[in-house]
Amino acid sequence: EAQVTQNPRYLITVTGKKLTVTCSQNMNHEYMSWYRQDPGLGLRQIYYSMNVEVTDKGDVPEGYKVSRKEKRNFPLILESPSPNQTSLYFCASSLFAGGSGSYEQYFGPGTRLTVT
Amino acid sequence: GEDVEQSLFLSVREGDSSVINCTYTDSSSTYLYWYKQEPGAGLQLLTYIFSNMDMKQDQRLTVLLNKKDKHLSLRIADTQTGDSAIYFCAESIDNQGGKLIFGQGTELSVKP
Repeated sequence: EAQVTQNPRYLITVTGKKLTVTCSQNMNHEYMSWYRQDPGLGLRQIYYSMNVEVTDKGDVPEGYKVSRKEKRNFPLILESPSPNQTSLYFCASSLFAGGSGSYEQYFGPGTRLTVT
Repeated sequence: GEDVEQSLFLSVREGDSSVINCTYTDSSSTYLYWYKQEPGAGLQLLTYIFSNMDMKQDQRLTVLLNKKDKHLSLRIADTQTGDSAIYFCAESIDNQGGKLIFGQGTELSVKP
């Protein structure tokens, strides 16, 4: 089954304790992205990757790191989490739909992070 | 800058039509999307429209695009309780790869 998986789904942690949220897709997509969702703000892009070893900042990259060593995996790293990073995080991967040219993004189920 | 706006709530009766509206600011949008988010779930792509189209129909869904006014709408015919969810519109910007700019989401509540 084609899917984007994220782990963990729920995480409660304390300020300053490094954490990693994993993301994996099995669709051989080149484009992957991380978003955070906050009430009243919709989804905002944190980082994205166009291909292996190619990553770039989105709109809200501060406090986050990513890596893309393999095509299928795109982990999100919080080196020193703070309470303002409490949010719902989504990983997405994209299929460039050939002649139609649309980027049909597939989303993971989300990771709810609470930083106390 | 890029901005996408939606109203936050909409309530309809089962069987009625729902219309969810969205406005955007970037005239270089290439595609506009509608995503659905059910409680506790990720985002599911419902439909999309290319920026040179005015309308797209897909079963109960009708998307209307007014490029002059930068206005996008999603009409759901014969709305069912299973349509209750948050609906996000999003635009992709030319020459920015797969980046999507999302609206705040409209929470649709369908009452029996």
